[in-house]
Amino acid sequence: DVKVTQSSRYLVKRTGEKVFLECVQDMDHENMFWYRQDPGLGLRLIYFSYDVKMKEKGDIPEGYSVSREKKERFSLILESASTNQTSMYLCASSHPRGGGVTGELFFGEGSRLTVL
Amino acid sequence: KQEVTQIPAALSVPEGENLVLNCSFTDSAIYNLQWFRQDPGKGLTSLLLIQSSQREQTSGRLNASLDKSSGRSTLYIAASQPGDSATYLCAVRSGSARQLTFGSGTQLTVLP
Repeated sequence: DVKVTQSSRYLVKRTGEKVFLECVQDMDHENMFWYRQDPGLGLRLIYFSYDVKMKEKGDIPEGYSVSREKKERFSLILESASTNQTSMYLCASSHPRGGGVTGELFFGEGSRLTVL
Repeated sequence: KQEVTQIPAALSVPEGENLVLNCSFTDSAIYNLQWFRQDPGKGLTSLLLIQSSQREQTSGRLNASLDKSSGRSTLYIAASQPGDSATYLCAVRSGSARQLTFGSGTQLTVLP
């Protein structure tokens, strides 16, 4: 089974702290994604990466950065956490479309971040 | 820009009923469509993936159909059970995009 593992299920941080959210996948997927999910706003894409050291901004990249030094690992960084970044963060991965693969997207269990 | 809509936002049915969840999208040039289930406080679990060349996919009591020309997909759940209670989301990968566009989901409650 495909497994996408997020390092922390629950985090509580203080305003101004630097926060790292880690995500690891074990299916050799090229594409990796970070979303946040908030009630009434649905899933919003923060950043995605389609290869090592490559990244692209999603819909709401402000206040976030990412790192992809290895194919299996994609990190989301909050340089200075703020209360409006309290949310559920979801990591996902997939093969790219085409090439005989389905491009199915798989999610991790989520990381619930609370910023006080 | 692709837009995905799921109506209704919430649905409550008695156990044993067959039900249909709806998903509509504005741009028919899609690569695939995926249905997910999400339990409270958890991540999304992939249920079914339909490629653009397919009309339907089945897994157990679930059947998903795709009609690209009308911009619609349905998720049919047969003989619903209380354990089916969750939020169901559909997502579309458009032909030229790397990422998916998600609907806002339908919250399903199956009453015992």
